[in-house]
Amino acid sequence: DADVTQTPRNRITKTGKRIMLECSQTKGHDRMYWYRQDPGLGLRLIYYSFDVKDINKGEISDGYSVSRQAQAKFSLSLESAIPNQTALYFCATGPQGSNNEQFFGPGTRLTVL
Amino acid sequence: AQSVTQLGSHVSVSEGALVLLRCNYSSSVPPYLFWYVQYPNQGLQLLLKYTSAATLVKGINGFEAEFKKSETSFHLTKPSAHMSDAAEYFCAVSDRGGATNKLIFGTGTLLAVQP
Repeated sequence: DADVTQTPRNRITKTGKRIMLECSQTKGHDRMYWYRQDPGLGLRLIYYSFDVKDINKGEISDGYSVSRQAQAKFSLSLESAIPNQTALYFCATGPQGSNNEQFFGPGTRLTVL
Repeated sequence: AQSVTQLGSHVSVSEGALVLLRCNYSSSVPPYLFWYVQYPNQGLQLLLKYTSAATLVKGINGFEAEFKKSETSFHLTKPSAHMSDAAEYFCAVSDRGGATNKLIFGTGTLLAVQP
């Protein structure tokens, strides 16, 4: 079984809809991250969390919110989706006190019409 | 602020030829450096990482990278390309001893391998 899983893998939605992307991990890591990937822009950090009581904004948090329901679960929400949020979204995890290596999920491809 | 520059968004090589993907970083403190690979329709997989031990780092699938502080570079190489190396490659930098463990990614280099 995969260590970092994301659901759904693909989603098409309409402008204005609320959507939630979910991430679960079995690696036992404290730190979890949400990124979006756009062609030619690489990966950009949306939010990150060090534990269930710690949530931090990344460089592009506007229009997004997150919830850390448990150590193993970190969800990303788009309250009112807009077309420029069409992207590939990745969840990642990392252990505390490591050399900052992160482990990535398979990604969720989101299309907002 | 940290940053990463990957020169060349697309690189094409012939099978069996040398692969060289360039990465330059900017960091005010000694960094950790990473190369990740993304195969089509998959997530990112770690190829190798520099964490202050040997400056020449060997990774999976025959790839290696050399940390050159004087040139602020961490270029990725492989002596002989294989068709299965076709993928997108990302260089990333992170603060050593930083509190956030954040990775700053480059914009990626798409490697094509011609038969």
